Amino acid sequence: SQELEQSPQSLIVQEGKNLTINCTSSKTLYGLYWYKQKYGEGLIFLMMLQKGGEEKSHEKITAKLDEKKQQSSLHITASQPSHAGIYLCGADHTGGFKTIFGAGTRLFVKA
Amino acid sequence: GAVVSQHPSWVICKSGTSVKIECRSLDFQATTMFWYRQFPKQSLMLMATSNEGSKATYEQGVEKDKFLINHASLTLSTLTVTSAHPEDSSFYICSARQPGDTEAFFGQGTRLTVV
Repeated sequence: SQELEQSPQSLIVQEGKNLTINCTSSKTLYGLYWYKQKYGEGLIFLMMLQKGGEEKSHEKITAKLDEKKQQSSLHITASQPSHAGIYLCGADHTGGFKTIFGAGTRLFVKA
Repeated sequence: GAVVSQHPSWVICKSGTSVKIECRSLDFQATTMFWYRQFPKQSLMLMATSNEGSKATYEQGVEKDKFLINHASLTLSTLTVTSAHPEDSSFYICSARQPGDTEAFFGQGTRLTVV
């Protein structure tokens, strides 16, 4: 969706390296979601952010929300091959929980 | 977390036939479900919002007569691709939310191939 820009489109990192994926919304955010998908499979919920300045972590994945800038970043520390996949940011722009998605970031982790 | 089940996981059909995909919330009631489609190497595109007991709300550009959505109960929404053509081949995914919950749970998706 053009309402949600994700970058980079793809990323190749060496195992053990850190990486960051960004998501920028052109509209006000009622909720920002991060999901992981392996191609041809369903989505795995990672995190949801709602409040400006909010930061959440799960294992080696941290997501932050800059509400003023309508941006979110997903940071993976010490990447592993198991982190490989497609990372999707989703946004609720209406407060009605209808989620639209960014184009996704394909992450490859080299062992 | 809550479980959303989609059936079938994959289906191959002949051009011109109709295909029904089911989305079930297994352990919660979902008044609203969402249907998405995903083309290879692309993101999820929202097709429609399925509301229990009422008509679905379709996104701009999605043919409502082509993609029939029925949300007959609080645990089941169906998407029927009518008169399917090869260009309808795609990955279809549904999601559902529990009332009052902010997290959406996704089904495992259905891969439709029209030959």
